[in-house]
Amino acid sequence: AQKITQTQPGMFVQEKEAVTLDCTYDTSDPSYGLFWYKQPSSGEMIFLIYQGSYDQQNATEGRYSLNFQKARKSANLVISASQLGDSAMYFCAMRHPSGGSYIPTFGRGTSLIVHP
Amino acid sequence: DSGVTQTPKHLITATGQRVTLRCSPRSGDLSVYWYQQSLDQGLQFLIQYYNGEERAKGNILERFSAQQFPDLHSELNLSSLELGDSALYFCASSVEGGRGAYNEQFFGPGTRLTVL
Repeated sequence: AQKITQTQPGMFVQEKEAVTLDCTYDTSDPSYGLFWYKQPSSGEMIFLIYQGSYDQQNATEGRYSLNFQKARKSANLVISASQLGDSAMYFCAMRHPSGGSYIPTFGRGTSLIVHP
Repeated sequence: DSGVTQTPKHLITATGQRVTLRCSPRSGDLSVYWYQQSLDQGLQFLIQYYNGEERAKGNILERFSAQQFPDLHSELNLSSLELGDSALYFCASSVEGGRGAYNEQFFGPGTRLTVL
């Protein structure tokens, strides 16, 4: 069964420093997509970044980058130059084939707190 | 603001009751997804509709059902409610039909359901 593991329930980082949030996944499908979402205390889910299983280069979106190590089945999110507004829950997710479509499986999330 | 609207924002009801949650996708999006977020189960995909038809199914209980109407809004019906159904229910929409690994979804603000 497909699985997403986020081993860090909580992380702390100083403002302006970089932080890495870990995510490992388990699938036997060759085609899949990896996503990171941010959920602030207000509750909404915000899409951050995507990495396809066939993508050769690591995805980047502004201060977010995805460190994709396919052989290790890891898709860690790197946030550079942390800001106070980055304090939130972060979810790693994988879209994988199921019944002719693709469905998502989410990790349990990592709570990030950015200190001034 | 993602452009996805959900009503109501909060819902309090009793065990055994039935409720309906409503979602309007972003203009132009044909796919609607429903998710349940609870402390026990984390964030779980329930079901997807694309242009009025069911496209993918996740961990949706038989007591739950959904549909997408010709104007593309969607409703999630929850019946014979139990205490464990208390959760935040998200709706998301996307342009893509969901048959590929890439799928940028825009989430609504959620409906907080409390079953007493």
